[in-house]
Amino acid sequence: GIQVEQSPPDLILQEGANSTLRCNFSDSVNNLQWFHQNPWGQLINLFYIPSGTKQNGRLSATTVATERYSLLYISSSQTTDSGVYFCAVVPDKLIFGTGTRLQVFP
Amino acid sequence: EAGVVQSPRYKIIEKKQPVAFWCNPISGHNTLYWYLQNLGQGPELLIRYENEEAVDDSQLPKDRFSAERLKGVDSTLKIQPAELGDSAVYLCASCRTPNTEAFFGQGTRLTVV
Repeated sequence: GIQVEQSPPDLILQEGANSTLRCNFSDSVNNLQWFHQNPWGQLINLFYIPSGTKQNGRLSATTVATERYSLLYISSSQTTDSGVYFCAVVPDKLIFGTGTRLQVFP
Repeated sequence: EAGVVQSPRYKIIEKKQPVAFWCNPISGHNTLYWYLQNLGQGPELLIRYENEEAVDDSQLPKDRFSAERLKGVDSTLKIQPAELGDSAVYLCASCRTPNTEAFFGQGTRLTVV
């Protein structure tokens, strides 16, 4: 089956720093989503981005489907950005990556 | 528009007891997923429904787990009997079709003692 790998596995930042999270997948997909799992376990939708670039405030994402990767950019990070970031891809069902745990300190 | 609703939020049971989780998807969403998430890991698919049909249950431990989605709307996931290793968060998600945006409920945190 398709493999979804995220990097880095852990990221520690000071408030105000920028970061880039990467998601690599091993086969073609029909859909890709980025989620933020907050400390209470809720999966929050960030982007639905099968291809191209989208921006939402301090966050933006780019998916290059032909090269099988997606990037999530977080600018001017805040402590509320802490949590785990997952990408998930759909060949025919939603398959999650390994996650990136982000900690933002004041 | 209401989101995906799951209940209960938390459940503590003794091993060998049965337990059931309920999910109400977003209205009009034909695809429904149940996922299991262990601590420190990503969600893993248990079962996927298209309307009332279970189209992918290959990861569902059928000796103790069962699921149903009557009338293609609400769904119930059951474990009988529960084991200590079943302690995890059980997540439900829905989308219009598998290729559209999926939304998750808040999950049910199960503790088996």
